[in-house]
Amino acid sequence: GAVVSQHPSWVICKSGTSVKIECRSLDFQATTMFWYRQFPKQSLMLMATSNEGSKATYEQGVEKDKFLINHASLTLSTLTVTSAHPEDSSFYICSASLATEQYFGPGTRLTVT
Amino acid sequence: GQQVMQIPQYQHVQEGEDFTTYCNSSTTLSNIQWYKQRPGGHPVFLIQLVKSGEVKKQKRLTFQFGEAKKNSSLHITATQTTDVGTYFCAGIKAAGNKLTFGGGTRVLVKP
Repeated sequence: GAVVSQHPSWVICKSGTSVKIECRSLDFQATTMFWYRQFPKQSLMLMATSNEGSKATYEQGVEKDKFLINHASLTLSTLTVTSAHPEDSSFYICSASLATEQYFGPGTRLTVT
Repeated sequence: GQQVMQIPQYQHVQEGEDFTTYCNSSTTLSNIQWYKQRPGGHPVFLIQLVKSGEVKKQKRLTFQFGEAKKNSSLHITATQTTDVGTYFCAGIKAAGNKLTFGGGTRVLVKP
């Protein structure tokens, strides 16, 4: 149980375009989902906390207009990277909380050319 | 803001030997969690510690939560090549739900 999926697993896009990443909790309902970014050989940095039916809470330094988060249902949250630039290339990982534990998705590797 | 530090950053271990990675938080935590991330993979939940002084074991892995709930350790005995990966600790502050990750300890095992 407690499986989280992400789609796509990897994406290559051109600079200036937007990319949407989906995060789904497959066998449980998650009122809270989290979005992280991980650069190569670095730790996970929390970008935002997403609560179903309400606006996401962004961490300091994360542009909310660039990283649009929607949490429309208890099993789905989406992250849209708008007007992507090469510096946005990273590994984006979501997690969904169940009680006090977080279950991580497999991640989405974004490369912006 | 809350900071979680992990040492060492890298750990080269001879197969069969033991090692320990340490995690220290700048603030008191309500709980601490440990994750393992294999190269190219995503973090996988290992364990959660909640009580002051708590010790939990998973086969060759021993996890400990400090008395002050500000530090933790992971000890692996008889290291195997399957232990390769990065081990992250992540803490949650009291009355919070956000995980703050440590920098991780990257473990390489020499056969």
